[in-house]
Amino acid sequence: GAGVSQSPSNKVTEKGKDVELRCDPISGHTALYWYRQRLGQGLEFLIYFQGNSAPDKSGLPSDRFSAERTGESVSTLTIQRTQQEDSAVYLCASSLIVGLNTEAFFGQGTRLTVV
Amino acid sequence: AQTVTQSQPEMSVQEAETVTLSCTYDTSENNYYLFWYKQPPSRQMILVIRQEAYKQQNATENRFSVNFQKAAKSFSLKISDSQLGDTAMYFCAFIPVQGAQKLVFGQGTRLTINP
Repeated sequence: GAGVSQSPSNKVTEKGKDVELRCDPISGHTALYWYRQRLGQGLEFLIYFQGNSAPDKSGLPSDRFSAERTGESVSTLTIQRTQQEDSAVYLCASSLIVGLNTEAFFGQGTRLTVV
Repeated sequence: AQTVTQSQPEMSVQEAETVTLSCTYDTSENNYYLFWYKQPPSRQMILVIRQEAYKQQNATENRFSVNFQKAAKSFSLKISDSQLGDTAMYFCAFIPVQGAQKLVFGQGTRLTINP
């Protein structure tokens, strides 16, 4: 596709349930990021994939959070046993890492509401 | 580790005025890229302007320009003739050319343009 696609765009889940968020990056983009953005706040880094390197998981807030990426394609962010504090917009971005082409292109995000 | 600091959580100006958003960063790298992103209420992150650290000339994009002071590690964004559509969150971001090429964002500045 032309841009980064995230699904679902909105998700309401009950506390304690698991959720899976999906990100389809721009084709050929080697780098993929996940960020969390609470209402009116900044971007909180979660995890970073770059090619076949080991992902940088330093931003994952707890072991309830995990993410996978197959090659340079789709990524899924999984939150287990969701808590109300997990309510936020989850943004995915992808980029090339080639000179000036390090611009990150963002998806529209998934708004997660835990009730 | 690289850090990016935006010291102005919120700013507000009248339409047609000029406004400057501040950004400072901390890094031991000599070569890197800096970006300003805009996030309007639609939530979509949009690249506004980018700067290469090895270029002394400040980047400009129509009404948007930067004041890049490498020695001071400062990268401010100036918006001239501000418009209502400029109302958004603005994020400053950094990425090194070498090493761990991970985008690092500041906490954002909420800019409101008043009619």
